[in-house]
Amino acid sequence: KQEVTQIPAALSVPEGENLVLNCSFTDSAIYNLQWFRQDPGKGLTSLLLIQSSQREQTSGRLNASLDKSSGRSTLYIAASQPGDSATYLCASMNTGFQKLVFGTGTRLLVSP
Amino acid sequence: NAGVMQNPRHLVRRRGQEARLRCSPVKGHSHVYWYRQLPEEGLKFMVYLQKENIIDESGMPKERFSAEFPKEGPSILRIQQVVRGDSAAYFCASSPSKQGASETQYFGPGTRLLVL
Repeated sequence: KQEVTQIPAALSVPEGENLVLNCSFTDSAIYNLQWFRQDPGKGLTSLLLIQSSQREQTSGRLNASLDKSSGRSTLYIAASQPGDSATYLCASMNTGFQKLVFGTGTRLLVSP
Repeated sequence: NAGVMQNPRHLVRRRGQEARLRCSPVKGHSHVYWYRQLPEEGLKFMVYLQKENIIDESGMPKERFSAEFPKEGPSILRIQQVVRGDSAAYFCASSPSKQGASETQYFGPGTRLLVL
């Protein structure tokens, strides 16, 4: 049974800092690994999706990496901005299943 | 350019009543997923449906919960005889087909259910 853990649970940084969010998973037979953003009272927005055959994906100031052998993924946010404040969720989809298994998220606060 | 739509956005029920949550997937999407987010917890998969078929209901509570995705109309998540522990945010997601490794699920804004 896949379990996904995210560290830290909360993070507060000043504007402009580069930061790393961590995600670990117990079952390496993943189909893909995704990072989402959730704003309070809102739905989820997909940020990056890494297929199991890939090592990383980039979109703007965001870079996500995947290391299946160690069961880890990281989301790197460069030059953070107050608008980046949200909860960031990672989720794995395992081979043979169509459901996402989510971590409990990292609540990020970027102060001006 | 409508995404996944869910209604109502907020729903208040008293214990013992029924709750019906609706989800209209992205136009052209035939696969729907329901997830539940309990307070201070992560999202948990509940059920995966295609038109007129339940494909995976491994995350559904055994009693009081049911889901459908008819040939016409939205997907419905139904909770009978609600209890306070059912209070949560319920999210619906959709995808155009059986999900490939490069495809994501598109999420709706959620329905926040409060049971008094």
